[in-house]
Amino acid sequence: AQSVAQPEDQVNVAEGNPLTVKCTYSVSGNPYLFWYVQYPNRGLQFLLKYITGDNLVKGSYGFEAEFNKSQTSFHLKKPSALVSDSALYFCAVRDDSSYKLIFGSGTRLLVRP
Amino acid sequence: DAGVIQSPRHEVTEMGQEVTLRCKPISGHNSLFWYRQTMMRGLELLIYFNNNVPIDDSGMPEDRFSAKMPNASFSTLKIQPSEPRDSAVYFCASNPGSKPSGYTFGSGTRLTVV
Repeated sequence: AQSVAQPEDQVNVAEGNPLTVKCTYSVSGNPYLFWYVQYPNRGLQFLLKYITGDNLVKGSYGFEAEFNKSQTSFHLKKPSALVSDSALYFCAVRDDSSYKLIFGSGTRLLVRP
Repeated sequence: DAGVIQSPRHEVTEMGQEVTLRCKPISGHNSLFWYRQTMMRGLELLIYFNNNVPIDDSGMPEDRFSAKMPNASFSTLKIQPSEPRDSAVYFCASNPGSKPSGYTFGSGTRLTVV
């Protein structure tokens, strides 16, 4: 069965500092991994995905994520946080044999000025 | 491309009433998904369709919930009768289906059952 864990309910970081939002996953086949962002009263917006290839994936708004197969992790990172990055972030996984995209519980990112 | 379109954006109804939520997926997308988001349970997959056929409805919480996709451009999620615990934001998403693509989400319908 597929599952995703986001161990932190909230991450606090000062503007200009690097940020990391953690995600670990479990799938039976090859994983397809995604990050989405949700702003208040909005739907989920796609940030980036890992399908195959380079373990470091670059996405929208300066975000990137590193796929680590041995640790079954896909942490979201940004070198320099902005106040406008404050939002709810979801990690999601599907395996290559399924249409189902399973989401983690979400991590609220708060970037303080 | 207008994206995934959901209606209504907000719905307030009384307990016991029938509620119908609507979704228009992106043209050409073969897969459609209904999710429910609550503070307590996060994002839950309710049902998904591929080529208009329901593939997995194991996430539908009760028989009060039903979903249809009569054609490639329209889907409904119906709750009858509605209960206060159904209050949530309901999202529809679509996906090209044949590729390892992410989903495109609609803006959601915020349902309040009083």
